[in-house]
Amino acid sequence: QQQVKQSPQSLIVQKGGIPIINCAYENTAFDYFPWYQQFPGKGPALLIAIRPDVSEKKEGRFTISFNKSAKQFSLHIMDSQPGDSATYFCAASMKDTGNQFYFGTGTSLTVIP
Amino acid sequence: GAVVSQHPSRVICKSGTSVKIECRSLDFQATTMFWYRQFPKKSLMLMATSNEGSKATYEQGVEKDKFLINHASLTLSTLTVTSAHPEDSSFYICSARGWGGELFFGEGSRLTVL
Repeated sequence: QQQVKQSPQSLIVQKGGIPIINCAYENTAFDYFPWYQQFPGKGPALLIAIRPDVSEKKEGRFTISFNKSAKQFSLHIMDSQPGDSATYFCAASMKDTGNQFYFGTGTSLTVIP
Repeated sequence: GAVVSQHPSRVICKSGTSVKIECRSLDFQATTMFWYRQFPKKSLMLMATSNEGSKATYEQGVEKDKFLINHASLTLSTLTVTSAHPEDSSFYICSARGWGGELFFGEGSRLTVL
């Protein structure tokens, strides 16, 4: 059973647009929700993360919106650039450092110049 | 963020040989590291959880005798693919959790078995 469901599978936007990637989870014990960016042939890099005590977090052009009651969270990329073209993964985990992370299936983003 | 180093980044080997991949947390100690396998255009598949000083916990369907994991210290975990076959060719990625709970990934290792 997929613990974290991610959509869309792929996304194409024009430069300057605001792509939005959505994730949903079932386990209410999850308390840490990161987003990762992965370029071809590289390991995923932590982009931004949120905990359920806040509804929004911004870091530069990246914003996470979190809806605890709906068990959903999303990534917004403001003023997207061609260099943002990558695969994005959402994930969820519990605080204990021994716990594994559950990943979404990934979204391939293409930003057209 | 914290740095996790993985080596080698690419390795080509003959069928039947063994290959070792190292994963190091460079600026923090990691009691737990995770090993993933990633197929082209797919998500990360957890293979095993590596715990310092104890045996690794393997996910269902992962052959523990083929994928040997050793976590000898708080900064080093190794994955050895034994008697490699072409179907073991893949992208292997390690990760470690920092003390704040964040998960940091290595650069990945591309294994090609001829």
